[in-house]
Amino acid sequence: QQQVKQSPQSLIVQKGGISIINCAYENTAFDYFPWYQQFPGKGPALLIAIRPDVSEKKEGRFTISFNKSAKQFSLHIMDSQPGDSATYFCAATTSGTYKYIFGTGTRLKVLA
Amino acid sequence: NAGVTQTPKFQVLKTGQSMTLQCAQDMNHNSMYWYRQDPGMGLRLIYYSASEGTTDKGEVPNGYNVSRLNKREFSLRLESAAPSQTSVYFCASSLAGPNTGELFFGEGSRLTVL
Repeated sequence: QQQVKQSPQSLIVQKGGISIINCAYENTAFDYFPWYQQFPGKGPALLIAIRPDVSEKKEGRFTISFNKSAKQFSLHIMDSQPGDSATYFCAATTSGTYKYIFGTGTRLKVLA
Repeated sequence: NAGVTQTPKFQVLKTGQSMTLQCAQDMNHNSMYWYRQDPGMGLRLIYYSASEGTTDKGEVPNGYNVSRLNKREFSLRLESAAPSQTSVYFCASSLAGPNTGELFFGEGSRLTVL
């Protein structure tokens, strides 16, 4: 029940295309859902996050879509660029705890 | 402003040896964390320190100990290293709890246990 399942494991997209990464969770107590971006040799960095009181959040080319009833959330990268090539992790946690549950990661490659 | 600094960046140990990973943050954050990252496993929490003077176990604490030396520093110790502890270790910090903002990660420490 504590897992966050992330798919796909890897993704190749043409420059200008849309990248979509999906995550699903079971624990209905989760109330904060961030996405982290990690470049090779670096630590993860927060990209965008959402709370379940909204169904969508957009920041530039990055959008989180959240479906509370299905217990799923996804990251959409519009107009994908080679500089977006990185590993993306979804995560979930519950307010009042200090324990993020991370997905297993998606390695995105955007072809020029 | 260095953010979160981890040392060493690389380390090779033999089975049974001990070592300490050091972490320091200069953002005046209250909470600090140690994660390990393994292929296909994502990031898993080893230990965390909600505030200075407190530490708690995460998902995978066995074989590790931690010390919150002061508000800035949080160290991770492997008393008797095992090959299963070969991993990339990340230290992170946050202002209060993780839900009030983001986790700031260091650049990682790559540990190989032979």
